[in-house]
Amino acid sequence: SQKIEQNSEALNIQEGKTATLTCNYTNYSPAYLQWYRQDPGRGPVFLLLIRENEKEKRKERLKVTFDTTLKQSLFHITASQPADSATYLCALDFSGGYNKLIFGAGTRLAVHP
Amino acid sequence: GAVVSQHPSRVICKSGTSVKIECRSLDFQATTMFWYRQFPKQSLMLMATSNEGSKATYEQGVEKDKFLINHASLTLSTLTVTSAHPEDSSFYICSARDFGGTQETQYFGPGTRLLVL
Repeated sequence: SQKIEQNSEALNIQEGKTATLTCNYTNYSPAYLQWYRQDPGRGPVFLLLIRENEKEKRKERLKVTFDTTLKQSLFHITASQPADSATYLCALDFSGGYNKLIFGAGTRLAVHP
Repeated sequence: GAVVSQHPSRVICKSGTSVKIECRSLDFQATTMFWYRQFPKQSLMLMATSNEGSKATYEQGVEKDKFLINHASLTLSTLTVTSAHPEDSSFYICSARDFGGTQETQYFGPGTRLLVL
């Protein structure tokens, strides 16, 4: 069955540093991968989508890479700020385009001033 | 950006009662909405796909008679937890796909916290 793995341990970094989060998946070749931010008690907020034919995508301080050979996506936040502290989820559509997303468990990021 | 609302934001009910949760797309039409459930410190789990004008499709292991879904219009889907039990206590989140947007874009609601006593 399909599986998504994110580092379950919290990531603690100092303000201003770059945070790098990892998402690995198995048993599938998705057409795209998405990253979401989730704050406690709130629904996920869409951040970025990267397609299988894209190596890298950027949005302001965010950067996502997608290596379909390694079956891995890296999510970077540069010049991190305490306001970036949240849980970050990666999600894949394993349904062949029907938008039925499977989410990873998420990685909690804490940015300390 | 597109906004999805949920009501209520939190609800406490007695075991055996039914609870209805509404999911609305506020500024776009959504032919497809999704319902997820999230237990503490766990990931979102897709429960069902709600299609306007047709029956919902449920994921494996989700009881369709317990979790009734009605997608009455292009902006409203409801999830009714029937005969709720304490193990149904969870965070229920809906998402909607923008009919006029990119195919993959989903917008999530703020979630509904259900506590069954």
